[in-house]
Amino acid sequence: QKEVEQNSGPLSVPEGAIASLNCTYSDRGSQSFFWYRQYSGKSPELIMFIYSNGDKEDGRFTAQLNKASQYVSLLIRDSQPSDSATYLCAGQSGGSYIPTFGRGTSLIVHP
Amino acid sequence: EPEVTQTPSHQVTQMGQEVILRCVPISNHLYFYWYRQILGQKVEFLVSFYNNEISEKSEIFDDQFSVERPDGSNFTLKIRSTKLEDSAMYFCASRGQQGNQPQHFGDGTRLSIL
Repeated sequence: QKEVEQNSGPLSVPEGAIASLNCTYSDRGSQSFFWYRQYSGKSPELIMFIYSNGDKEDGRFTAQLNKASQYVSLLIRDSQPSDSATYLCAGQSGGSYIPTFGRGTSLIVHP
Repeated sequence: EPEVTQTPSHQVTQMGQEVILRCVPISNHLYFYWYRQILGQKVEFLVSFYNNEISEKSEIFDDQFSVERPDGSNFTLKIRSTKLEDSAMYFCASRGQQGNQPQHFGDGTRLSIL
């Protein structure tokens, strides 16, 4: 059974701080990882994807992947109230291009 | 930027009726998907579709469900004999040719079964 685990939160950070969102996965065959942002009642919106160990930066967002520890994280620098949403982590193996989603972590950025 | 579009945005149906949810994937994408998200729960995979046939389906996708690509642009999900527990958000997604490319989601259809 492929599982992607996330702390449901909420994670509360002040505006301007760094928000750190974490995710672990059970399937060692997972090769691709995605972070989606989901506002309440809306669809998942792709934020970042990462395939290789290490860090990948895109603007205020940095995704980190450690395949040995089966751990993925998303850092959001200079957090804004508009970043308040649920962040979904998804892992995908090479054999089946179907992502397995975690439950999501609720992030609250307060002014 | 190209988008996946879904209609209707909200569908209210009596239990036992059939519903058809519609999706227009991104035009150069070849892989299409349906997901379900019950309120407060995970996004759950239903079915994937490629080259005019189902490529993979989950245990949720039983005989009550079917998918179709009736023309070159639309991709539909049909739910027969709807049950109260079918109430959820249904998302369509599509992706490009390479397997590790991310999927792009439509805005979803909120299905309410009464």
